[in-house]
Amino acid sequence: SQKIEQNSEALNIQEGKTATLTCNYTNYSPAYLQWYRQDPGRGPVFLLLIRENEKEKRKERLKVTFDTTLKQSLFHITASQPADSATYLCALDMLRGSQGNLIFGKGTKLSVKP
Amino acid sequence: GAVVSQHPSWVICKSGTSVKIECRSLDFQATTMFWYRQFPKQSLMLMATSNEGSKATYEQGVEKDKFLINHASLTLSTLTVTSAHPEDSSFYICSARTLLDSTGALHFGNGTRLTVT
Repeated sequence: SQKIEQNSEALNIQEGKTATLTCNYTNYSPAYLQWYRQDPGRGPVFLLLIRENEKEKRKERLKVTFDTTLKQSLFHITASQPADSATYLCALDMLRGSQGNLIFGKGTKLSVKP
Repeated sequence: GAVVSQHPSWVICKSGTSVKIECRSLDFQATTMFWYRQFPKQSLMLMATSNEGSKATYEQGVEKDKFLINHASLTLSTLTVTSAHPEDSSFYICSARTLLDSTGALHFGNGTRLTVT
């Protein structure tokens, strides 16, 4: 069965630095790979999607890469701020945005210290 | 757009009682909604897929008689935890997709923290 791993349970960085989070998966490459942010006691919020034929996607201070050879996605937050502190989840979409569910990783808890 | 409202945000109930959680899509129609359970430091665990006008599809290991799902309209799905026990205490979250969002992103409610005493 498809498995998904996020590199670390927690990541602590200094404000202003770039945070890099890793998402690895096994078996088949998803059609889409999505990243979500989850704050404590809240539901996840969609951030970015990258398709299997895309290498990189950017949105403001966020950048996502997708390497289907390595079966890996990297999620970068540049010029990080304490407000970026949250848990970030990656999710595999095997069905190209159809009505099916996503496969979620456990998340990486990012803490940005001032 | 694509707002999902979940209610209540938290509930405390006594063992043996039932609790109903509502999930509404406020500005779009959701033919399919998903119900998850999340433990601390764990991933979202899909419990069931709720289909409007038909029976829900439950994941392996999820008791359908304990976790009753009703999706009576295109904007409302409910999850009822019947005869709740302390081990049912958890964070329950619903989500939905809309065909209007080409990203295929899931739109989540803010979750319900259930504590069974």
